[in-house]
Amino acid sequence: QKEVEQNSGPLSVPEGAIASLNCTYSDRGSQSFFWYRQYSGKSPELIMFIYSNGDKEDGRFTAQLNKASQYVSLLIRDSQPSDSATYLCAVNNQGGKLIFGQGTELSVKP
Amino acid sequence: DTGVSQNPRHKITKRGQNVTFRCDPISEHNRLYWYRQTLGQGPEFLTYFQNEAQLEKSRLLSDRFSAERPKGSFSTLEIQRTEQGDSAMYLCASSSNRGRGNEKLFFGSGTQLSVL
Repeated sequence: QKEVEQNSGPLSVPEGAIASLNCTYSDRGSQSFFWYRQYSGKSPELIMFIYSNGDKEDGRFTAQLNKASQYVSLLIRDSQPSDSATYLCAVNNQGGKLIFGQGTELSVKP
Repeated sequence: DTGVSQNPRHKITKRGQNVTFRCDPISEHNRLYWYRQTLGQGPEFLTYFQNEAQLEKSRLLSDRFSAERPKGSFSTLEIQRTEQGDSAMYLCASSSNRGRGNEKLFFGSGTQLSVL
C-alpha cells in the first residue's frame, strides 16, 4: 500500500463547477496535510494546508480532513480553466519530510 | 528574487558521466530537501538537511547519489556514473523549522536531467 494515494485522473469538470479531489494516507500518526498545484513543466506550488479535523477555507479552495478515515480532500469552487493542473496531496508523517501522492490531473473545460 | 534557486535548469549527459546540481534555498530557511520526479508521478523524497546536517536519506537511494550542504546554505546533489533510469526532474525545496507549519515546502524550478 502506498503511503499517500490519489486517483491519477484525469478529472474533467465544466467551468463554474465544483472540482473534488481526494487523497488517503496510511500512517495514522500523520499530523500535517498539504495540497500543491503543479502546472505542466513547472514545480509544485503550495495552495492549502490543514492540521485539524474539519474544513479550512481559503478563497475558492476548501481543504477537508478526516483523521479517523485517513482522508483528505480539496474542493475547488467555481472552477476556472486556469485551475487545470495536477494537484498533489502531501502528508507529514511525523518525520521531517513530506510524502507526496502521485497527483490528480484536473481539466476544467470552458 | 528571494525564492529557491536551482542550477542548471537542464542537463543532458551521457550514461556513465557524473553530474552535479546546485540549490540555493530561501535565505532564512534552515531545512533543505531534494526530491526527484518522473512524468506522471509525484515528487519522491531523496534526502534532507537541517542546517549542514543531513538528517535523512531515502533507503531507495543508490549510493551513486550524494548530497552536501557544507555551510548550511546552498546544497549540491551529485550523481555518479549516471544511468538512463536517473533521467528525471530533480527538485529542491526549503522550509523554516520554526513553529507549526515548518513542513511547508517551497520548491525551486527544478533541474531536468536527461541521460542518453
